[in-house]
Amino acid sequence: KAGVTQTPRYLIKTRGQQVTLSCSPISGHRSVSWYQQTPGQGLQFLFEYFSETQRNKGNFPGRFSGRQFSNSRSEMNVSTLELGDSALYLCASSLGQGGSYEQYFGPGTRLTVT
Amino acid sequence: QKEVEQNSGPLSVPEGAIASLNCTYSDRGSQSFFWYRQYSGKSPELIMFIYSNGDKEDGRFTAQLNKASQYVSLLIRDSQPSDSATYLCAVNAGGTYKYIFGTGTRLKVLA
Repeated sequence: KAGVTQTPRYLIKTRGQQVTLSCSPISGHRSVSWYQQTPGQGLQFLFEYFSETQRNKGNFPGRFSGRQFSNSRSEMNVSTLELGDSALYLCASSLGQGGSYEQYFGPGTRLTVT
Repeated sequence: QKEVEQNSGPLSVPEGAIASLNCTYSDRGSQSFFWYRQYSGKSPELIMFIYSNGDKEDGRFTAQLNKASQYVSLLIRDSQPSDSATYLCAVNAGGTYKYIFGTGTRLKVLA
């Protein structure tokens, strides 16, 4: 079974721009979660989508948004980029139901904001 | 503020020894517990998960959960230099799909 895929793997953007990251979950997984990882803050939960609906949300500003499509693929958007948004953005997929809570991460997108 | 605490390390152990990694959590409603291994520059890899009190073994790895004391640990037997990585503890609360991660413990296995 193919793992979680994320595109692009690397991005360099300028402050004030916006960016869209994509994540394709493991086949059969309906839950996709997004995380931001920085050396100072560790892994911080952004949000989780299940069946095209945001089911859980972390404590990030509204500049961070996401969506999920009917095939469970998910996108995350960050608008008005700030220098502090430079980080590794990870998505993770899970079944999302049935008492199975294991999450599997994709390789991540490394975003650099200059 | 729900928290997951880990000693940042580094924890250094000789090759062949048992490495013991610990994690405490603050939310008594937590139900599922996970250990991830993350090599430098890579994404986290799920290596163990445990839902019930007690021990769970998988190869050289054993996860131990004590809900009354609110801690979960990971034992790595016969540690190898390839086990050198950062180990992240994660917890989800009350049957949700919202996870809180610790900041990780860096393990160094010395050849």
